[in-house]
Amino acid sequence: DAGVIQSPRHEVTEMGQEVTLRCKPISGHDYLFWYRQTMMRGLELLIYFNNNVPIDDSGMPEDRFSAKMPNASFSTLKIQPSEPRDSAVYFCASSPVAGGAWANVLTFGAGSRLTVL
Amino acid sequence: AQSVSQHNHHVILSEAASLELGCNYSYGGTVNLFWYVQYPGQHLQLLLKYFSGDPLVKGIKGFEAEFIKSKFSFNLRKPSVQWSDTAEYFCAVKENYGNNRLAFGKGNQVVVIP
Repeated sequence: DAGVIQSPRHEVTEMGQEVTLRCKPISGHDYLFWYRQTMMRGLELLIYFNNNVPIDDSGMPEDRFSAKMPNASFSTLKIQPSEPRDSAVYFCASSPVAGGAWANVLTFGAGSRLTVL
Repeated sequence: AQSVSQHNHHVILSEAASLELGCNYSYGGTVNLFWYVQYPGQHLQLLLKYFSGDPLVKGIKGFEAEFIKSKFSFNLRKPSVQWSDTAEYFCAVKENYGNNRLAFGKGNQVVVIP
């Protein structure tokens, strides 16, 4: 398996532009997570899905952020409009089938480094 | 809400020195505990985990961690570090019963000087 695949790896954009980050989880994993990493706040959970359904989006900072998972092999995190304070590394992670302790072991993607000017 | 504390955010030490990173969490129930490592420019990788059983857990690359329930702690140790251990180390905790949120600490940036 190629692991969790994220794109783009790097994105530089201007304030006000729309940003879309993409994630392909490991095949067969039921859970998908979006995290944001900054120096100031560390790793923050933004949202997670179970079987393509958003379960907990309490970490999404504001309405400018939205996430979708149209099928088991693809998810997007969208920021519209983007602001400089959104600059961070955004990680996607997935974990195996629901139930059991192994469901808690996350496999992370390489991350998408976003810079908003 | 679950919280995870990691102290001494920046640690600098020489090769062959011993390393111990502290991790404390706030939840009083049954938990699953993890240490993840992030090497420079790379994504987070699982270093070791504790679900149940022996509270002393062995992980990859000579790392181990000890779960002390009475202290709500899960400290990471390595007796003799190498330059290649330079990385950021994150402790993570999940309540055993409840939603699937994994709470991360803010990380320890470890620099090993050759």
